[in-house]
Formats: sequence, structure tokens, C-alpha cells
Amino acid sequence: KNQVEQSPQSLIILEGKNCTLQCNYTVSPFSNLRWYKQDTGRGPVSLTIMTFSENTKSNGRYTATLDADTKQSSLHITASQLSDSASYICVVTLFSGGYNKLIFGAGTRLAVHP
Amino acid sequence: NAGVTQTPKFQVLKTGQSMTLQCAQDMNHNSMYWYRQDPGMGLRLIYYSASEGTTDKGEVPNGYNVSRLNKREFSLRLESAAPSQTSVYFCASRGQGMNTEAFFGQGTRLTVV
Repeated sequence: KNQVEQSPQSLIILEGKNCTLQCNYTVSPFSNLRWYKQDTGRGPVSLTIMTFSENTKSNGRYTATLDADTKQSSLHITASQLSDSASYICVVTLFSGGYNKLIFGAGTRLAVHP
Repeated sequence: NAGVTQTPKFQVLKTGQSMTLQCAQDMNHNSMYWYRQDPGMGLRLIYYSASEGTTDKGEVPNGYNVSRLNKREFSLRLESAAPSQTSVYFCASRGQGMNTEAFFGQGTRLTVV
């Protein structure tokens, strides 16, 4: 079954600290992996997208890694800010029946405290 | 730069009532989607439209209908709302190509009582 699992479910860190969010997937055939940030009451916004040939991709203080062999990805946030408080969603693209289907994880809810 | 616009933002319905959620995008994207987001779960695809004039069911289509009115607009209709349809609904659009970014609207929070 095509699934995307994220851990932890929720996380609290202090402002300025780093954190790493995990994503494991069983999606096949795999096209790409995306990380989205979703602020409370808003729609998801794309942070990074990686194909199977890419190991790492950065977007400012966000760095995503991908290990296509172990089917794991992580999102590392450096020097966290209060504005990083949000849900972070891992999304894997499955190519099936001529259509690219996005498989969403349930997200990790991050709270950054002063 | 509007992107994907959804209306309304909030809605309360009584069981059995009908309503249409509107979505419009101004990025000239071919593909448009409707998702629902429930607590503790990932977004689940209700319906999608790969191009103007075509629509297909996603993983949770029961109780919903859609219309791809033109390239810009993709509406979601609940004919007879049920409490199980209480959720946050997101419309999204995406351009051509496997690795293109998907853009989401702000969401519609629907409560069915």
C-alpha cells in the first residue's frame, strides 16, 4: 500500500534551536518527494521538491534530504524562528495510470517557543 | 498575484443541505484538484481534473460532484451534506510536468450539523 508516514506527530522547540523532521514512504513507483509548510488556517506552501536522483535540497534555513534506497527523507530546520511554527507535510508523487498522484503524510506539527 | 482562490472561507450547513465550493486559478494550469483535510490524516483527493472538460474520481469521491467550468474554474458540490463531510477543503492547481509545483488555495472550513 502506498503510504507516507511522518514523525514525530508534534514537536516543541525553543527559538534558535535546530530540529529534524522525518518522513518514511512506501510509494512505488516514486517520482518525487515534496515538503510543504502549512500555517494554521492556510493552505500548504511548497518548500522543496526532490527527484529520486537528488540527495539534498535547501531553501533558506530549510534543508531536505532524500535517501531513495531506504525510502526516507528528512527536513532540517536551522536556527528556528517563531514563524516556523506550522505543520510540515511530506508528499510523495506516485506515477500511476498516466496520472501523477500526490500521497500526503499526516504532517508534523512544530511549535517554536520564545 | 492571486494564485488559487477559494470561496467561501467558512460555511455551516445543516444535514441534507446542498452547497457549491468555488475555486479559480489564474496561473493557466491544466490540472486542478479538490482535497479534504481531516485531523490526524493527510490530505485526501476527492476529485481531480487533468484538463478542461475532464474530471476523474480520487480516493474519497462519494457524496461529491465536480464541474470544470473552464480552464480557470473547478467547483465542488455537495448535493446532500452529511456530518461526515465536516472537514477543511482545499483546491489546488498544477502545471504540466511531473516535477511542477502544486499551489493550494486558502481552504474552506465546512461544518455540517
